[in-house]
Amino acid sequence: DAGITQSPRHKVTETGTPVTLRCHQTENHRYMYWYRQDPGHGLRLIHYSYGVKDTDKGEVSDGYSVSRSKTEDFLLTLESATSSQTSVYFCAIRGTDTYEQYFGPGTRLTVT
Amino acid sequence: GNSVTQMEGPVTLSEEAFLTINCTYTATGYPSLFWYVQYPGEGLQLLLKATKADDKGSNKGFEATYRKETTSFHLEKGSVQVSDSAVYFCALSLHGSSNTGKLIFGQGTTLQVKP
Repeated sequence: DAGITQSPRHKVTETGTPVTLRCHQTENHRYMYWYRQDPGHGLRLIHYSYGVKDTDKGEVSDGYSVSRSKTEDFLLTLESATSSQTSVYFCAIRGTDTYEQYFGPGTRLTVT
Repeated sequence: GNSVTQMEGPVTLSEEAFLTINCTYTATGYPSLFWYVQYPGEGLQLLLKATKADDKGSNKGFEATYRKETTSFHLEKGSVQVSDSAVYFCALSLHGSSNTGKLIFGQGTTLQVKP
């Protein structure tokens, strides 16, 4: 158990509404990542963080923003949800001296 | 660019059959390689890893060898069980300060094992 939780686990929202997903870790890891999982695409990186208030974009960042005000929390915000953002979202953490990542249980988001 | 290609699924096997899931990669530099497994309704779990050429990762009867000459990291298991039914992802991570440590994933391969 890597000590990662995600909330909510499931959410249905309407097009145009803002949505925030939360990732919480208990192990004080420096690096945190947000991925989305879609059929036929594996997992793709949305944003990542390399420390408090230090974040950067991944390959599919359009329409998403992130914030990290504390080591343990990494928030993903959809400013105005669209149907193309219907997906399963995974948070992951990584230690400083290793390259493997450990994943949270995921959030299934449906935008209607 | 950097990428990972896995064999398409689903792969359907009978219990106790031999499993191979092919994975090849393209990378600038020398990546670390990983296999992750995802059981239905769950997140991804690290199955095994290899950090340099000729390393063999192993866990729970699964093995994969980092082959630099063929840029491959094929997953194998000698005798699969019904409980191995899941989606398997091959992934790489690049080293160095200019890299984010992000994982680049293959598309995933679904394994179904029948009794």
